[in-house]
Amino acid sequence: EPEVTQTPSHQVTQMGQEVILRCVPISNHLYFYWYRQILGQKVEFLVSFYNNEISEKSEIFDDQFSVERPDGSNFTLKIRSTKLEDSAMYFCASGTTGVEAFFGQGTRLTVV
Amino acid sequence: KNEVEQSPQNLTAQEGEFITINCSYSVGISALHWLQQHPGGGIVSLFMLSSGKKKHGRLIATINIQEKHSSLHITASHPRDSAVYICAVSKASYGKLTFGQGTILTVHP
Repeated sequence: EPEVTQTPSHQVTQMGQEVILRCVPISNHLYFYWYRQILGQKVEFLVSFYNNEISEKSEIFDDQFSVERPDGSNFTLKIRSTKLEDSAMYFCASGTTGVEAFFGQGTRLTVV
Repeated sequence: KNEVEQSPQNLTAQEGEFITINCSYSVGISALHWLQQHPGGGIVSLFMLSSGKKKHGRLIATINIQEKHSSLHITASHPRDSAVYICAVSKASYGKLTFGQGTILTVHP
């Protein structure tokens, strides 16, 4: 069964460093999303991406964040200069329509 | 006020019990999702509903659009059902999800 794949599963980074979280969505999907979940809190929307551009972003998704679909298969989330409060589980999701959502297993980001 | 509210926040059951988790939402939606999150953190989609009822194995999900309410039922619960169950809604056809806070279910043998 096709699945959304995220790498790495766990990343530890120093505060101020750039990180890139990678996602390979299901191949025929058109809608792509990043969500995050701070430990003990609910999942929060970061950004949605459709037709090679951002369709919506939350107030969390400030200038430190960016997304790219560099080669038609990968979907990346970059955090330019990480802060301690960026420590969270980051989930990629994709769908053929804008209603369904298939989630990856997540990347646990720890900023030290 | 949260747009998606779940109850209860914590639920403990004995193996074999019938379990109900509730979700209420305050906005117009295009679909409601029930998701499962295991301790490792990964999220698995259980159901996507826009009306009526769906069943998959021992899991049943219902939605009442007029009352803005959905329920997830687990029949004959088992310890392997222990997980966090999350309700989420998509408000538009291009669908970012808005999540509830989750219900922590523990099923004891």
